[in-house]
This record gives sequence, structure tokens and C-alpha cells, in this order.
Amino acid sequence: ETGVTQTPRHLVMGMTNKKSLKCEQHLGHNAMYWYKQSAKKPLELMFVYSLEERVENNSVPSRFSPECPNSSHLFLHLHTLQPEDSALYLCASSQESSGSPLHFGNGTRLTVT
Amino acid sequence: LAKTTQPISMDSYEGQEVNITCSHNNIATNDYITWYQQFPSQGPRFIIQGYKTKVTNEVASLFIPADRKSSTLSLPRVSLSDTAVYYCLVGGYSSASKIIFGSGTRLSIRP
Repeated sequence: ETGVTQTPRHLVMGMTNKKSLKCEQHLGHNAMYWYKQSAKKPLELMFVYSLEERVENNSVPSRFSPECPNSSHLFLHLHTLQPEDSALYLCASSQESSGSPLHFGNGTRLTVT
Repeated sequence: LAKTTQPISMDSYEGQEVNITCSHNNIATNDYITWYQQFPSQGPRFIIQGYKTKVTNEVASLFIPADRKSSTLSLPRVSLSDTAVYYCLVGGYSSASKIIFGSGTRLSIRP
């Protein structure tokens, strides 16, 4: 229903695990984003890809590694996370330079144990 | 970056009109004003966007005065399902990295 699909919806992982979050947009947009939303905090912009090139990396720890293989897909690879990384991870897309708003997926609820 | 200020929370009742005001004193000439709605454990959803004067769609109206230093989101005849967090954003969308969310306004609708 949203045009932006995120999988999985829920993920529980240990601190030594490696996992990946997936995002797919069906809107023909040329920019994709990862946001982190911790409990009762504003959304924090993590990464931005425009035309499949990373244009923003907001001092995110290296244990988070984004990948954008094409304009429709975005991944967030996770390894050796900390409990404070538990949050809702949201993917969004937009058509840059056209004034189009962000379109969000419903996120992945990540719990690090 | 144009910073926005909006009330932390608001309460209202079903059937009332709700107005949420956002201040953005340092808005740039090419900045749009965009409002989003977010329910718990979901991504924000676009509500309305404007540049100046008044914009209306099927769910809300957006009022922007001539100086554009503030804007007001108007929700007519709210229902319980309008209980959510509402975010006001200012940005030109010429650069994706300029889209920064504030704390939003937590709107609670009572029967």
C-alpha cells in the first residue's frame, strides 16, 4: 500500500550476528534514505543515496553498512550491533529536485540482545 | 538548514477542527513546507505540501502567511484515528540531505 516495502518487519539479533535489512521502492524514484527512530526520539537521518551514489553519511558507526545496487533497492547491513542500536529503521524514497515528498516504508523493528 | 518549532503535544475531541502551527523563521526562498503524519510503529505518511498562501486536499488544509515564517496545518472534524504525531518539515528538495525531522506534535483525540 505504501509503494515502499521493507523486510523483515521485525528482527531480533544478538550482538555477534550479521543481518541485513531490505528496502524496495516501486515508485520510480531516484533517491533513497535510511532513517533511525529510537524510542521517543525524532527520526535521525543515517544515509542518503541519490542516483545510486551515497551523498550523505551522518556520522553513522561503521557497524552499519548501506548498499544501493540499483535505484529500486536499498540494503542496510548490520554487524556487531549494540543494544542501543535497537530501534525502528525506516526506509524512504523521493524524486529529487522535483519537490516530491518522502515516501516511507513501515520500517523494521530491530531488537539487539 | 531551516529549523522548525511546533508544540510538543495537543489534545482535542472528535468532530473538532484542529490547527497545528509550525514556526520556521529562517525559511529559505526555495524551501517548501511539508507535513507528515506518523502512527506508532509505522513510517511517516505525507499529508500536505505548500509554498505560499493556502493549499487544500482531501485530508487537510495548509495555511502559509505572506512572510512564510510560519504555517498552520488544519485538520477538519478530527476523529479518533487522527491521533498521531505530526511533523512539519522545511526544505527545498534540491538536496536530499536537507530533510531533517524535528520532534513533531503528538495529537491526541478524545471521544
